[in-house]
Amino acid sequence: AQKITQTQPGMFVQEKEAVTLDCTYDTSDQSYGLFWYKQPSSGEMIFLIYQGSYDEQNATEGRYSLNFQKARKSANLVISASQLGDSAMYFCAMREGPYNQGGKLIFGQGTELSVKP
Amino acid sequence: KAGVTQTPRYLIKTRGQQVTLSCSPISGHRSVSWYQQTPGQGLQFLFEYFSETQRNKGNFPGRFSGRQFSNSRSEMNVSTLELGDSALYLCASSLAHRVGLAEAFFGQGTRLTVV
Repeated sequence: AQKITQTQPGMFVQEKEAVTLDCTYDTSDQSYGLFWYKQPSSGEMIFLIYQGSYDEQNATEGRYSLNFQKARKSANLVISASQLGDSAMYFCAMREGPYNQGGKLIFGQGTELSVKP
Repeated sequence: KAGVTQTPRYLIKTRGQQVTLSCSPISGHRSVSWYQQTPGQGLQFLFEYFSETQRNKGNFPGRFSGRQFSNSRSEMNVSTLELGDSALYLCASSLAHRVGLAEAFFGQGTRLTVV
């Protein structure tokens, strides 16, 4: 069965520093997608970044980058130059199901990030 | 472009009642998925609808049901509410018909409290 593991329940980072949030996954599918979402206390899930299993380059979106190591089945999120507004829960997720049909997302347990001024 | 809209934002219901939650996806998105988030179980997939058809279903009892209308708006219904149904219910929409286009965008959720 497909599974996402986030081993860091909580993390602290100093403002303006970079931080890496860990995510490992388990799947037997060759085609899959990996996502990172941010969930502030308001509850909304905010899409951050996506990496397809066949993408050769690591995904980047502004201050977010995804360190994709396929052989190790890891998809760590790197946030550069942390800001106070980055304090939130972060979820790693994997898309299960046919590649072109959306499918369902399997989520990890999340990492609570706190940015210190 | 409007995002995913979920209504209502908050609900308080009594055990044994039923509830209907609504989700309006991003314009043009045909896939709508529903998730339940609780502190104990985390985020769990309920079901996915695409073009008015249920395409995927999670491991939830039959009290949880849903449907999708021709305009892609979706509703989920929970009958005979239990205390354990108290949760944040999130809806996600995606285009889901182009290979490689896979982002799913979430609404703000409906926070259901069962008393």
